[in-house]
Amino acid sequence: NAGVTQTPKFRILKIGQSMTLQCAQDMNHNYMYWYRQDPGMGLKLIYYSVGAGITDKGEVPNGYNVSRSTTEDFPLRLELAAPSQTSVYFCASSDPGDYGYTFGSGTRLTVV
Amino acid sequence: AQSVTQLGSHVSVSEGALVLLRCNYSSSVPPYLFWYVQYPNQGLQLLLKYTSAATLVKGINGFEAEFKKSETSFHLTKPSAHMSDAAEYFCAVRRDTGGFKTIFGAGTRLFVKA
Repeated sequence: NAGVTQTPKFRILKIGQSMTLQCAQDMNHNYMYWYRQDPGMGLKLIYYSVGAGITDKGEVPNGYNVSRSTTEDFPLRLELAAPSQTSVYFCASSDPGDYGYTFGSGTRLTVV
Repeated sequence: AQSVTQLGSHVSVSEGALVLLRCNYSSSVPPYLFWYVQYPNQGLQLLLKYTSAATLVKGINGFEAEFKKSETSFHLTKPSAHMSDAAEYFCAVRRDTGGFKTIFGAGTRLFVKA
């Protein structure tokens, strides 16, 4: 029962570098989401997807991109990393009839 | 627009004491409300959810929450705190449009003293 799997768990990037945060779910959920968590700020939605081939911006999309070529995978791309992108990133998925989210264990990213 | 406000960024209780974490919501339509728990260095885990059925909702680990429309509140309670309850708790509301996005409160960190 894997649920939502995120890789890597930790990463240090230099300013200007790029990377892709991976997210995969095995529950056949149509909806997937990327959030970032900063201390005292709760979770902010970056991007979300309602199905393969369909993505849309959340509250804080600048500096990020996503794609959804399959139901299972929803990678998050950081281009030209900046210190402001230092955060913990969570991927989540949901079934429209179930209401709640299943979260991955997160990726802790530091940009130096 | 829907939103949630959690009152108190930190709450400290003694082991065995009542736990009360406060959440108020704003919504123009009947809301779907949630409480999530996050243990250190882990993802969020769903504690309980309100989906317009019973107003008193029971969740995992002995937690429950009561939906009070007149007070626009959805406070989380547990009769007797355990050391293992120390974590961060998030109240959340789900939007009914645009991919059923969930909006999270800022979180309340619960400390449990021996």
